[in-house]
Amino acid sequence: GAVVSQHPSWVICKSGTSVKIECRSLDFQATTMFWYRQFPKQSLMLMATSNEGSKATYEQGVEKDKFLINHASLTLSTLTVTSAHPEDSSFYICSANLAGGADTQYFGPGTRLTVL
Amino acid sequence: QKEVEQDPGPLSVPEGAIVSLNCTYSNSAFQYFMWYRQYSRKGPELLMYTYSSGNKEDGRFTAQVDKSSKYISLFIRDSQPSDSATYLCAMSPSGNTPLVFGKGTRLSVIA
Repeated sequence: GAVVSQHPSWVICKSGTSVKIECRSLDFQATTMFWYRQFPKQSLMLMATSNEGSKATYEQGVEKDKFLINHASLTLSTLTVTSAHPEDSSFYICSANLAGGADTQYFGPGTRLTVL
Repeated sequence: QKEVEQDPGPLSVPEGAIVSLNCTYSNSAFQYFMWYRQYSRKGPELLMYTYSSGNKEDGRFTAQVDKSSKYISLFIRDSQPSDSATYLCAMSPSGNTPLVFGKGTRLSVIA
């Protein structure tokens, strides 16, 4: 089946540093990947839509200069949290769309970010 | 009003019980309806997918969509302790658009 990986699975960093999270589709190509954020006991909130070869589309309220997204290839999208602060601590999850259908979005295992 | 409403629970049931999970929504443009299961600190896993109205059954799981009432349900029969997880409903207006998630219902099945 379609597999999406994320790296790292968890990261702890100091306030003010930048953290890069990778999302890879391991056995399929994905022109579109999505990045979500999930706070404890909350739902997944879409942050941005990442399209290969073009700029990401950010949701309202998400700072594009703080959350840098690069969709470098059909199997890799990266999210960089710049100048991280404690309020950025969250569970970041990506999904990759296999075939353009609503039922073909496959989710990664998530990355837990803790900013001290 | 949020686009998708889901009772967060927690919901605790004995093993073997029938579980009913529900979501309501406000956007009449939603056509695709999904149920995901999420274990603690893991990514969501697709359980059921329904397009437009109707019922769909897969093993112990049944998904129902009532577009006239903007209401969707997931039923789990003969629930097992391994079903203990958070269940998220999600929906979208078209195939390649981002999903809008409910808050998730935390389910515990007690042996």
